[in-house]
Amino acid sequence: DGGITQSPKYLFRKEGQNVTLSCEQNLNHDAMYWYRQDPGQGLRLIYYSQIVNDFQKGDIAEGYSVSREKKESFPLTVTSAQKNPTAFYLCASSPGGQGAVGYTFGSGTRLTVV
Amino acid sequence: AQSVTQLGSHVSVSEGALVLLRCNYSSSVPPYLFWYVQYPNQGLQLLLKYTTGATLVKGINGFEAEFKKSETSFHLTKPSAHMSDAAEYFCAVRGPSSGSARQLTFGSGTQLTVLP
Repeated sequence: DGGITQSPKYLFRKEGQNVTLSCEQNLNHDAMYWYRQDPGQGLRLIYYSQIVNDFQKGDIAEGYSVSREKKESFPLTVTSAQKNPTAFYLCASSPGGQGAVGYTFGSGTRLTVV
Repeated sequence: AQSVTQLGSHVSVSEGALVLLRCNYSSSVPPYLFWYVQYPNQGLQLLLKYTTGATLVKGINGFEAEFKKSETSFHLTKPSAHMSDAAEYFCAVRGPSSGSARQLTFGSGTQLTVLP
């Protein structure tokens, strides 16, 4: 079955370390997204990519970086510059074009700073 | 620009009672509207969506929503709550045009508690 796979499900990071969250989709979707979720704050967009080798900053991009070298993959790196990285991170994808299609979400990665 | 407001961050209902989760949107163009559900430590799952045509939209798990343009609302309802409906629900809006306006804009979510 097609879908989005996020790994790992749980991740622990020490202060000052960079960590990379994986997101892979086999839906042949053009667009991919990264969201951060904190209690009571809904979903906040970190980065998005509408096509391979291109991506744009979302609302809270500071302290994060991404790459989109393959259509299937959109990894997110949480750098040491991100002062409060503990959160639940969600990856999503959607087809390109003008269709009224929502997003397909992965199951999330919970990052905790220790 | 488009935005979504979900009234009530927490809603509690008794098992068997009506579920009503409120969503109002702001959009300069006819929107596409979505409701998603999220269970603890999981991703979001699409419940239903409105594109064009019939304003009453039926989704999975017995949920439905009605698009009311005059009220700029897209409230989610279910006639009889079940314990398994306890989750967080997100309303989202997406514009039909290109570029950033085609991204989904999410509301802040409503946590539904179902009491036995």
